[in-house]
Amino acid sequence: GAVVSQHPSWVICKSGTSVKIECRSLDFQATTMFWYRQFPKQSLMLMATSNEGSKATYEQGVEKDKFLINHASLTLSTLTVTSAHPEDSSFYICSARDIAVDYNEQFFGPGTRLTVL
Amino acid sequence: GQNIDQPTEMTATEGAIVQINCTYQTSGFNGLFWYQQHAGEAPTFLSYNVLDGLEEKGRFSSFLSRSKGYSYLLLKELQMKDSASYLCAVGGSNYQLIWGAGTKLIIKP
Repeated sequence: GAVVSQHPSWVICKSGTSVKIECRSLDFQATTMFWYRQFPKQSLMLMATSNEGSKATYEQGVEKDKFLINHASLTLSTLTVTSAHPEDSSFYICSARDIAVDYNEQFFGPGTRLTVL
Repeated sequence: GQNIDQPTEMTATEGAIVQINCTYQTSGFNGLFWYQQHAGEAPTFLSYNVLDGLEEKGRFSSFLSRSKGYSYLLLKELQMKDSASYLCAVGGSNYQLIWGAGTKLIIKP
């Protein structure tokens, strides 16, 4: 149980285009999902906390107009990188918290590797 | 502030035992988590401690002392596949996890 999927697993796009990444909890409901970014050989960096039915909470320094988050259902959150540039190339990972569990364990998706040319 | 410290890198020998320490100073505490992350992959859950003491799960054990702000992950009978980064994280508010920078574990034959 507790499986999280991400799609796509990798994407290459041209500078200036937008890319949407989906995060789905497959066998549990998640009111809260988290979006992370990880650059090579660096630690996880929390970008935003996604709450079902409400606006996402962004970490300091993360542009909400550039990284659009939509958490429209209890099993799906999306991250859209708008007008992507080469410096946005990174490993984007989502995680989800099981609504039925009252502690902080997060289940991670497999990640999406974004390369912006 | 929030501060989680763990060694940057450790080296151990196949078949041996290694202990990865983690100290934390956080404004809140909702449990101590250990995750494993292989290069190029997402983290996977290893253990969770909310009470003081040792939790054993196969070759992996995790210990917590809340009064000391200290935890360790113990890996026994090391295998080459255990080469990975080990992330210590403290449960914070709003179900967030506050992450350490990770310890890269290198296993040598």
